[in-house]
Amino acid sequence: AQSVSQHNHHVILSEAASLELGCNYSYGGTVNLFWYVQYPGQHLQLLLKYFSGDPLVKGIKGFEAEFIKSKFSFNLRKPSVQWSDTAEYFCAVNALGFGNEKLTFGTGTRLTIIP
Amino acid sequence: DTEVTQTPKHLVMGMTNKKSLKCEQHMGHRAMYWYKQKAKKPPELMFVYSYEKLSINESVPSRFSPECPNSSLLNLHLHALQPEDSALYLCASSQGRGDQETQYFGPGTRLLVL
Repeated sequence: AQSVSQHNHHVILSEAASLELGCNYSYGGTVNLFWYVQYPGQHLQLLLKYFSGDPLVKGIKGFEAEFIKSKFSFNLRKPSVQWSDTAEYFCAVNALGFGNEKLTFGTGTRLTIIP
Repeated sequence: DTEVTQTPKHLVMGMTNKKSLKCEQHMGHRAMYWYKQKAKKPPELMFVYSYEKLSINESVPSRFSPECPNSSLLNLHLHALQPEDSALYLCASSQGRGDQETQYFGPGTRLLVL
């Protein structure tokens, strides 16, 4: 079965710092990849997704992610974070062939931005 | 519009109570999902309905009973729950048409079992 790893459990940054959150998955076949964000007290929102094509995808709020197939990675980046980016970030993978409905989440990374 | 609505927002119930959670979407999506999320943990899939038929049950205890009365509505019936079932219950929906599914989540129902 597929699994998703987010090695950074808690990241603390100052405003304007650059951000990179790691996401690795274990599945050798075709995958769909997602990053979701959960702001404090709010529901999961889709930040961005990758299905195929250009491995660099841009999402909402200035976030982007790069799919590197050889590294089984889909890291999330933002060049300059804001206090409002404080949230929990979840990477998720849909491994095609295991049932297109099944979304496997990573354990999440808590991001704290210090003003 | 990518809105999934859930009611109630909060629910407190005793271990002998029967209650139901409701989820609704009007995006024409044909797949709907129930997830359970404990504090500081990722969502865990419970059930998937595809075209109003149950397609995935992740070995969920029978005290949780899903129902999909139509393509827009998903219910989760609760009976004889345990305190460890206290969690945020999330509903999601997706197009259900192929291999490029994107799930959109509702705000959740925060459940406390006493």
